Amino acid sequence: EPEVTQTPSHQVTQMGQEVILRCVPISNHLYFYWYRQILGQKVEFLVSFYNNEISEKSEIFDDQFSVERPDGSNFTLKIRSTKLEDSAMYFCASITTPGPIGNEQFFGPGTRLTVL
Amino acid sequence: RKEVEQDPGPFNVPEGATVAFNCTYSNSASQSFFWYRQDCRKEPKLLMSVYSSGNEDGRFTAQLNRASQYISLLIRDSKLSDSATYLCVVRLYGGSQGNLIFGKGTKLSVKP
Repeated sequence: EPEVTQTPSHQVTQMGQEVILRCVPISNHLYFYWYRQILGQKVEFLVSFYNNEISEKSEIFDDQFSVERPDGSNFTLKIRSTKLEDSAMYFCASITTPGPIGNEQFFGPGTRLTVL
Repeated sequence: RKEVEQDPGPFNVPEGATVAFNCTYSNSASQSFFWYRQDCRKEPKLLMSVYSSGNEDGRFTAQLNRASQYISLLIRDSKLSDSATYLCVVRLYGGSQGNLIFGKGTKLSVKP
């Protein structure tokens, strides 16, 4: 069964450092997403990406964040200067098309980011 | 007002019990509805989509009331393996690219 993969599984970094979280969406999917989940809190939408550009972003996704699809398979989330409050699980998700039918978004296993 | 609200839980039930989770959503533009399951420190996984007519998948039954903006999940004959956090999730349309809006989740613990 195809799956979304993410690397690394756990990233520890110092405050102020740049991190890049990597995702490989399912190959025939067209829409990609990043979500985050701070420990004990709900899953929150960060950004959606389609046709090589950002479709929508939340207020969390400020200038410190960027996304890129550098090749045909990878989808990355970069945080330029990490803050303590960026510590969270970051989930990548992909879907063929959102559509009206309620297609499933498939989530990767997540990257746990710890900012010290 | 929170966009998706759920029973706070936790629900501690014995094996074989029937348990019901409730959820309300605030945005009437919500078009798709889901229950996801999340195990501790794992990714959310789709349990079932929720359709207007209600739907059932084995021991799980989901109901949707658009007028009341209310979603429910019923689990019959609970198993130990059902222990997890159940997330009520909605998706909007009308400009949104389909990003999901999650509730905080309700934790279920099934005991022997």
